[in-house]
Amino acid sequence: EVQLVQSGAEVKKPGESLKISCKGSGYSFTSYWIGWVRQMPGKGLEWMGIIYPGDSDTRYSPSFQGQVTISADKSISTAYLQWSSLKASDTAMYYCARLRYSSNPPDYWGQGTLVTVSS
Amino acid sequence: DIQMTQSPSSVSASVGDRVTITCRASQGISSWLAWYQQKPGKAPKLLIYAASSLQSGVPSRFSGSGSGTDFTLTISSLQPEDFATYYCQQANSFPGTFGGGTKVEIK
Repeated sequence: EVQLVQSGAEVKKPGESLKISCKGSGYSFTSYWIGWVRQMPGKGLEWMGIIYPGDSDTRYSPSFQGQVTISADKSISTAYLQWSSLKASDTAMYYCARLRYSSNPPDYWGQGTLVTVSS
Repeated sequence: DIQMTQSPSSVSASVGDRVTITCRASQGISSWLAWYQQKPGKAPKLLIYAASSLQSGVPSRFSGSGSGTDFTLTISSLQPEDFATYYCQQANSFPGTFGGGTKVEIK
C-alpha cells in the first residue's frame, strides 16, 4: 500500500528555522517525484516545488524560490521541506504528494503538517 | 505560469442534483487537467486525470470533459459524501497551478 506519512504539527516563533518531513512507503521512492503544496487557512492549494529523489533534481515554483528548501534522503525514503527563518505568513497546512512525472497530477498525498508561526 | 479559473466559487445543491463545475486555463493545455476533491481537514483526493479519466476507486457519478482551455467536472447525482471543495489543476507544465476551488454546499 502506498503511503506518505508526514511529521507532526509544529508551533514556531518568527525567525526560527524548521524542517518537516514526508516518508514514503509501499513503492519505489526513487522512481517518483515528491511535491510540496501549501494551503493557507481557508485558502486554496499552491504548488511550492518538487524533487526527484532518484537524482535530487529539484524545481521550485517562482513564488517559493529562495523562500524554502526542498531535499530528500533516498536511503530512508524521506523528503523534506525547510525554512531558515519563518514568518507569520508561513502559517499553513503543508502537504507532500507523489507524482509520476514532474507535471503529472499527484496520485497519493500525505496527511498534512500544520505549521503555526506566532510570537 | 498558467492561470486556472474555476466557476462558480460555490454552489448550493441537494442530494440527487446534477452539479457542473467549470475550469478555464489561461492558455491551451490539451487534456492535461486533473480534478480533486477536498473535505475539511483532509488532503485532496484525485478524482479525474487527463481531463476525463476516472481515478481508480472513484464512483462513476463523477465525470470530466473538455480540452484546450475549457473543462468541466460533472457529478451526475450528488450524494451526501460529495459535499466538499473541488479543485482543478493543470498538468501541462510545472508548476501545476490549481484553480481557486468550488465549494459544493448542502441546499
